[in-house]
Amino acid sequence: GENVEQHPSTLSVQEGDSAVIKCTYSDSASNYFPWYKQELGKRPQLIIDIRSNVGEKKDQRIAVTLNKTAKHFSLHITETQPEDSAVYFCAASWAYNTDKLIFGTGTRLQVFP
Amino acid sequence: DAGVIQSPRHEVTEMGQEVTLRCKPISGHDYLFWYRQTMMRGLELLIYFNNNVPIDDSGMPEDRFSAKMPNASFSTLKIQPSEPRDSAVYFCASSYYGETQYFGPGTRLLVL
Repeated sequence: GENVEQHPSTLSVQEGDSAVIKCTYSDSASNYFPWYKQELGKRPQLIIDIRSNVGEKKDQRIAVTLNKTAKHFSLHITETQPEDSAVYFCAASWAYNTDKLIFGTGTRLQVFP
Repeated sequence: DAGVIQSPRHEVTEMGQEVTLRCKPISGHDYLFWYRQTMMRGLELLIYFNNNVPIDDSGMPEDRFSAKMPNASFSTLKIQPSEPRDSAVYFCASSYYGETQYFGPGTRLLVL
């Protein structure tokens, strides 16, 4: 079945450094790839997404890149700040019914001042 | 818009009791999703609806779980009988036309 692998599971960076989280998906028919941020005790919230007809998308300090050939996509956060500390989830739309998302296992990002 | 609304926010019950979780999606959204989140299993999709019709319930763990959506503004997830391993945070999410999913605040369930 459809599977999304996410690495690393934990990531610690110094404030101001960059953070990169990587995900791979199993089915080449997946065409929608959102990223969610979940702060402790809160709900997951969409921070950026990308579709398969686009290779890169940027929103201020956040960017996502997609490599369809290799079936992987990455989240890049530049100039990290303590408020970026959270768990980040990638997801891929399920190949057979694109309304359904398959989530990665999450990356706990800690940004130290 | 108030966003997705879930109730209760916290529920503590004893094993064997029936638990009912409630969700009101964002007005105008035609998809509704129920997820369960635990440390061990992460974020799991249990079931989802399109225009009030269940589309995929393959994630429902067993017959003790059931979900309904009687109208476009309301859905329930019921666990009967509940077991300690059902303890988790249950999220409801909604979307329009299969686009961005917006999550509710979640219901934190503890089964003793």
